[in-house]
Amino acid sequence: EVQLVESGGGLVQPGGSLRLSCAASGFAFSNYWMSWVRQAPGKGLEWVANIKRDASEKYYVASVKGRFTISRDNAQNSLYLQMSSLRAEDTAVYYCGRDISPTGIDLWGQGTLVTIAS
Amino acid sequence: QSVLTQPASVSGSPGQSITISCTGSSSDVGGYNYVSWYQQHPGKAPKLLIYEVTKRPSGVFNRFSGSKSGNTASLTISGLQIEDEADYYCSSFSSVSTAPRVFGGGTKLTVL
Repeated sequence: EVQLVESGGGLVQPGGSLRLSCAASGFAFSNYWMSWVRQAPGKGLEWVANIKRDASEKYYVASVKGRFTISRDNAQNSLYLQMSSLRAEDTAVYYCGRDISPTGIDLWGQGTLVTIAS
Repeated sequence: QSVLTQPASVSGSPGQSITISCTGSSSDVGGYNYVSWYQQHPGKAPKLLIYEVTKRPSGVFNRFSGSKSGNTASLTISGLQIEDEADYYCSSFSSVSTAPRVFGGGTKLTVL
């Protein structure tokens, strides 16, 4: 089955760190760009970052640049998002997505909730 | 404060047609044919409905169609069904800054 499964979410204090993972299966992971998209409670979608097939290019939304790092392990069919210096406004459900760049995101995971609170 | 502007809500009756607009600029919607649309039911992940302005992925009903004129893209849903009630988001490639993908703020579709 073609799917993406995120993990690693949880409750973290402001200023803390967290690493999200996304396990891909059922397709040739190394052939695709991959993205992270987040959705704050009751709010819309916000694209966070994406990474090229061979990790040679990475892009970030301005609000997370310097704090978040996207990476991938093609041998493990896995995508990661290392988040540091976390703020309350980073609270959201984080989705990983298969990115048919620059066209769009054609496959989404179920999401993992990240809550930043003291 | 989304880069792309969508109406907050639209409504229609079963069987009717509705259109959701998505307005950007020449740096995104108007400059590239890389507009996509997503449907999201409450508590669920988004689903790709339309890509490259007018194309439908396999499995998406032809009741969903996309178009673009200038800096505004549109999603039209014909023959509305109860299960179409959901949030809809547009997205586009963007040549501005380091963020190559932007989303609209979303539109809540109510099927009365």
